[in-house]
Amino acid sequence: AQTVTQSQPEMSVQEAETVTLSCTYDTSESDYYLFWYKQPPSRQMILVIRQEAYKQQNATENRFSVNFQKAAKSFSLKISDSQLGDAAMYFCAYMGGSNYKLTFGKGTLLTVNP
Amino acid sequence: DAGVIQSPRHEVTEMGQEVTLRCKPISGHDYLFWYRQTMMRGLELLIYFNNNVPIDDSGMPEDRFSAKMPNASFSTLKIQPSEPRDSAVYFCASRVGGYYGYTFGSGTRLTVV
Repeated sequence: AQTVTQSQPEMSVQEAETVTLSCTYDTSESDYYLFWYKQPPSRQMILVIRQEAYKQQNATENRFSVNFQKAAKSFSLKISDSQLGDAAMYFCAYMGGSNYKLTFGKGTLLTVNP
Repeated sequence: DAGVIQSPRHEVTEMGQEVTLRCKPISGHDYLFWYRQTMMRGLELLIYFNNNVPIDDSGMPEDRFSAKMPNASFSTLKIQPSEPRDSAVYFCASRVGGYYGYTFGSGTRLTVV
């Protein structure tokens, strides 16, 4: 079974600084997709960024980018120019090529200090 | 597009009572998922449907839990009888086919006392 591990239960960053959240996963599949979701205090789950495993180029969405290391099974999220609104729980998630189920990590709580 | 709509947003019930959670997926989405979120276990997939048909219910914790999708625009998750350990946030999510992320509803916070 696929597993997703987020080793940092909590992280903090100063406003306008950069922070990187870590994620590793375990799979025997060659075709899969990786995601980062944000969950603010409102508890709404918001898709931040998506990466296809067959693409070597790292995905970017404005201030959010990933560092995808397929051989190491690592998928970290970098947030640049952190803003107070970035404070949330961040979940890394895996979707295998053989089904559409999302498997989530336990999450990292990000605090942004003014 | 109103997104995935869940009701109620909060539910408080007494142990032993029946609880029904409701979900309306995004029109045109052919997959629907029910997740449960707790501090201890994180986000767990309970069951998912494709074109209204249950595909995988291996995450349903016990026979007390049941889910239905009578049509493409409505699904329910029922717990009967409810127990305090069922207290959690229950999310519904939907998606179109292909490897895209889900769109989640805002969740139902269930408290069983």
